[in-house]
Amino acid sequence: ELKVEQNPLFLSMQEGKNYTIYCNYSTTSDRLYWYRQDPGKSLESLFVLLSNGAVKQEGRLMASLDTKARLSTLHITAAVHDLSATYFCAVAGATNKLIFGTGTLLAVQP
Amino acid sequence: EAGVAQSPRYKIIEKRQSVAFWCNPISGHATLYWYQQILGQGPKLLIQFQNNGVVDDSQLPKDRFSAERLKGVDSTLKIQPAKLEDSAVYLCASSGLAGGRKETQYFGPGTRLLVL
Repeated sequence: ELKVEQNPLFLSMQEGKNYTIYCNYSTTSDRLYWYRQDPGKSLESLFVLLSNGAVKQEGRLMASLDTKARLSTLHITAAVHDLSATYFCAVAGATNKLIFGTGTLLAVQP
Repeated sequence: EAGVAQSPRYKIIEKRQSVAFWCNPISGHATLYWYQQILGQGPKLLIQFQNNGVVDDSQLPKDRFSAERLKGVDSTLKIQPAKLEDSAVYLCASSGLAGGRKETQYFGPGTRLLVL
């Protein structure tokens, strides 16, 4: 059974600091997604990572994938308040269904 | 391009009552998903359709939940009778113009259900 774990579950950061969210998964998959969810809102797709060593960047967020270690990271550079949200990683299963991690609640403090 | 539409946005019912949620996917998307997101958790797949057919309903509590996708477009998810533990956000997502495996899933705004 495919399982996905994220850590930390909660992250309080100061503006301008850097930090990394980690996502581990238990079995092989050909796709890993990162989604953002604002309070009371739906999920917004951020990145899809397809192959070992894949790296994607958008603004202050950078995601990477190591399929051998079954690990993805979401790195936040010079955090700003607008990045406050819950971030989920999700791994695609055999039928394209997504198995989500527990989420990381990110709070960026001024 | 219009996104995934869902209604209602909010619903409050008493336990043992029935409730139905509606989803209209992105035009042309062959695959439709219903996820349940309990507060503080990641979404969990309930059922997946490709066109009219069910691809995966292994985590759907079939004694009380049912879903259908008429004509391969809109879908309805029903709970009858509801239990307290069904309180959650029900998210509909759709993907792919041809039902292929590698398309990103796009999520609707969700229906927030509270069972009292």
